[in-house]
Amino acid sequence: AQRVTQPEKLLSVFKGAPVELKCNYSYSGSPELFWYVQYSRQRLQLLLRHISRESIKGFTADLNKGETSFHLKKPFAQEEDSAMYYCALSGLSGNKLVFGAGTILRVKS
Amino acid sequence: DAGVIQSPRHEVTEMGQEVTLRCKPISGHDYLFWYRQTMMRGLELLIYFNNNVPIDDSGMPEDRFSAKMPNASFSTLKIQPSEPRDSAVYFCASSLFGGTGATGELFFGEGSRLTVL
Repeated sequence: AQRVTQPEKLLSVFKGAPVELKCNYSYSGSPELFWYVQYSRQRLQLLLRHISRESIKGFTADLNKGETSFHLKKPFAQEEDSAMYYCALSGLSGNKLVFGAGTILRVKS
Repeated sequence: DAGVIQSPRHEVTEMGQEVTLRCKPISGHDYLFWYRQTMMRGLELLIYFNNNVPIDDSGMPEDRFSAKMPNASFSTLKIQPSEPRDSAVYFCASSLFGGTGATGELFFGEGSRLTVL
């Protein structure tokens, strides 16, 4: 079974501080991991995918198979980063994307 | 393209009433997903279709929920009878090739906020 755990419902940081949104997964095969983001009054949208090894808006995420984690990081938070962030998992053999419960990031000035 | 279009955006109904949520996917996409969002459980996958065929409905909570995709440009999610615990935001998303892989991406609608009194 595929399962994604985001342990924090809310993460509040000051502008300029580092950010780490935690994501742990459970899957017996080779996973594909994604981060999706929902800004206020906008649609849920893809932020980044692990397979592309990309950095988007200063965010990066490294897949750690040993710890079964895919934490989202940014060295210096900005107010416009405030949003709901979802970690998502898919098995390579399937197209079913399973999401975690989400973490609200609040960046204070 | 206007993206994934959902209707209604807001629905308030009374317990026991039938609710029908509608979705128009992005033209050319071959996958369609229905998700339910609540504060407690986040985004739950209810069902998804590939080329209009239901592939996995294991997330549908109970028989009161049903979904159809009669053609490539339209899908419905129906709840009959509705209950207060069904109150949530229901999202429809579409994708090409399932939304996974190096170019995979799900495109979401704006959601339908359902309140059952």
